[in-house]
Amino acid sequence: GENVEQHPSTLSVQEGDSAVIKCTYSDSASNYFPWYKQELGKRPQLIIDIRSNVGEKKDQRIAVTLNKTAKHFSLHITETQPEDSAVYFCAASTGAAGNKLTFGGGTRVLVKP
Amino acid sequence: NAGVTQTPKFRILKIGQSMTLQCTQDMNHNYMYWYRQDPGMGLKLIYYSVGAGITDKGEVPNGYNVSRSTTEDFPLRLELAAPSQTSVYFCASTYPDINEQYFGPGTRLTVT
Repeated sequence: GENVEQHPSTLSVQEGDSAVIKCTYSDSASNYFPWYKQELGKRPQLIIDIRSNVGEKKDQRIAVTLNKTAKHFSLHITETQPEDSAVYFCAASTGAAGNKLTFGGGTRVLVKP
Repeated sequence: NAGVTQTPKFRILKIGQSMTLQCTQDMNHNYMYWYRQDPGMGLKLIYYSVGAGITDKGEVPNGYNVSRSTTEDFPLRLELAAPSQTSVYFCASTYPDINEQYFGPGTRLTVT
């Protein structure tokens, strides 16, 4: 089955700096790659996603890049703010069998004011 | 719309007890999922369903059972609770032709 690895597990940045989180996946049939943000004690919420027919997608301060050949994708947060502090999860799906998602282990991001 | 709702929010079980975690969605989603999230870890799929009457195992199904008698409800049953089942349980749902999964607020379960 699919295996998703996420790095780093923790990331501390100064407010205003950029943060980058990287994920690799194992199943070349995966074609959907979402990123979820989870604040402490809350549910995961989708912040951005990308499909395999697109190499990059941007939404304000957040961008995701995908390299299908290398089977890795990354989340980029620019001009970080204290409210960006949370745990971020990447995931991958082939779209088969109920659109199942396989999640990475998560990255705890701390934005220091 | 209330979205995805879960009950209870918190529960403490003794080893060997059983319970059912409830999940309901009012978005008419066909696909529903149960995940567990251990402290400091990612989400692991327990069971999923693509429609009423259809369920299938995920990555970590042992010790759990599910049923899907209606589109709205997807209860998760724990039989003979064990300390290893201490976790936060999230239910999620979506449509077949979109991929975003909508999560419920979670149930925090402790087995002692």
